[in-house]
Amino acid sequence: SAVISQKPSRDICQRGTSLTIQCQVDSQVTMMFWYRQQPGQSLTLIATANQGSEATYESGFVIDKFPISRPNLTFSTLTVSNMSPEDSSIYLCSAPGQAPYGYTFGSGTRLTVV
Amino acid sequence: QKEVEQNSGPLSVPEGAIASLNCTYSDRVSQSFFWYRQYSGKSPELIMSIYSNGDKEDGRFTAQLNKASQYVSLLIRDSQPSDSATYLCAVYRGSTLGRLYFGRGTQLTVWP
Repeated sequence: SAVISQKPSRDICQRGTSLTIQCQVDSQVTMMFWYRQQPGQSLTLIATANQGSEATYESGFVIDKFPISRPNLTFSTLTVSNMSPEDSSIYLCSAPGQAPYGYTFGSGTRLTVV
Repeated sequence: QKEVEQNSGPLSVPEGAIASLNCTYSDRVSQSFFWYRQYSGKSPELIMSIYSNGDKEDGRFTAQLNKASQYVSLLIRDSQPSDSATYLCAVYRGSTLGRLYFGRGTQLTVWP
């Protein structure tokens, strides 16, 4: 399975600002996934990031709020823009292993917006 | 109907008992099934994957899959307090950009 390095691990941000979360994978992967997990809840998929194309967003998530970059097959960023306290959550990136077994997750970013 | 449903928790078992976690899924074309363990404050960790009907054993963990009933389960034998975590069932359908569909999770507590 892929090993994913995610940073920052946590941050406290002022409302109205933006935070960019980075994920680095130790192998080339076609797709990467960005999730949000609110306290005591399961994972909610924000978007799927394919290298070389626009990210595909799930219902309720828009590119202006959560722009994603995928410059190569090992790296992706998610930006949380114009933050409000409702954006306080854990954000996770994920990537599949071999075809498509063993999806792994980054260590997560705990975001608090004040 | 939700894509993936898990038995409601929380589930509490004594140390040494068998913990049984259940999951049903709605899409018959689903191909692969995963169980993740998530400790509080940590990211999900893959503990089992299963692709064919029947049982798959790995140490104290056994995953069971019944595609006809659209049902997958995880048994934890000789439960330990260190097994206390939330267990997430995930399903891969193979046709939707490679994404996984997750259940809400079942919180397991193993008491000594």
